[in-house]
Amino acid sequence: SAVISQKPSRDICQRGTSLTIQCQVDSQVTMMFWYRQQPGQSLTLIATANQGSEATYESGFVIDKFPISRPNLTFSTLTVSNMSPEDSSIYLCSPLLYNEQFFGPGTRLTVL
Amino acid sequence: KQEVTQIPAALSVPEGENLVLNCSFTDSAIYNLQWFRQDPGKGLTSLLLIQSSQREQTSGRLNASLDKSSGRSTLYIAASQPGDSATYLCAVTSSGAGSYQLTFGKGTKLSVIP
Repeated sequence: SAVISQKPSRDICQRGTSLTIQCQVDSQVTMMFWYRQQPGQSLTLIATANQGSEATYESGFVIDKFPISRPNLTFSTLTVSNMSPEDSSIYLCSPLLYNEQFFGPGTRLTVL
Repeated sequence: KQEVTQIPAALSVPEGENLVLNCSFTDSAIYNLQWFRQDPGKGLTSLLLIQSSQREQTSGRLNASLDKSSGRSTLYIAASQPGDSATYLCAVTSSGAGSYQLTFGKGTKLSVIP
């Protein structure tokens, strides 16, 4: 398995601001996924990030709103930009390791 | 487009009872199927992963089965305990060139009553 940490674990932010979520993995992984889970809903894939290339975004998600970085094989960040209350969700990173996806503990974001 | 359905949406059972959670998926072209547990406000914990070539996986009191041709999976929990109370999510990894995308069901919220 993999040990995954996310920072911050939770945050309360004001409308119009941006928050960067960090994801650290204890193993080198090529593929990293970022998910969003809105209140009462299941997980929705935001984007797939491979180290050394631009992230691939799912329908309904754009790079300007959710820029992602993958500076190395153990670390990634997701930024939620120009936040609105509709961005209030749990955000989870998910590295692919040995063809299995593992999940971080999540970042609980509340936008006022 | 892959769709995953979980039935029931919620389930409440007395402690000690055996129970079955159901998951169905529309496209049988999958790499694998995973069952996860999610506690309120928390991330996901992987419980069992079944490869497309496998029929079942067991871990402790949990047993997951996979019938790929019919697009169904079940998660069997034996001798349920209050600590089993959580939301259980089923997810499939669909086949495709270079694709490892997981598609999730909406989950079954389980409450085990002491």
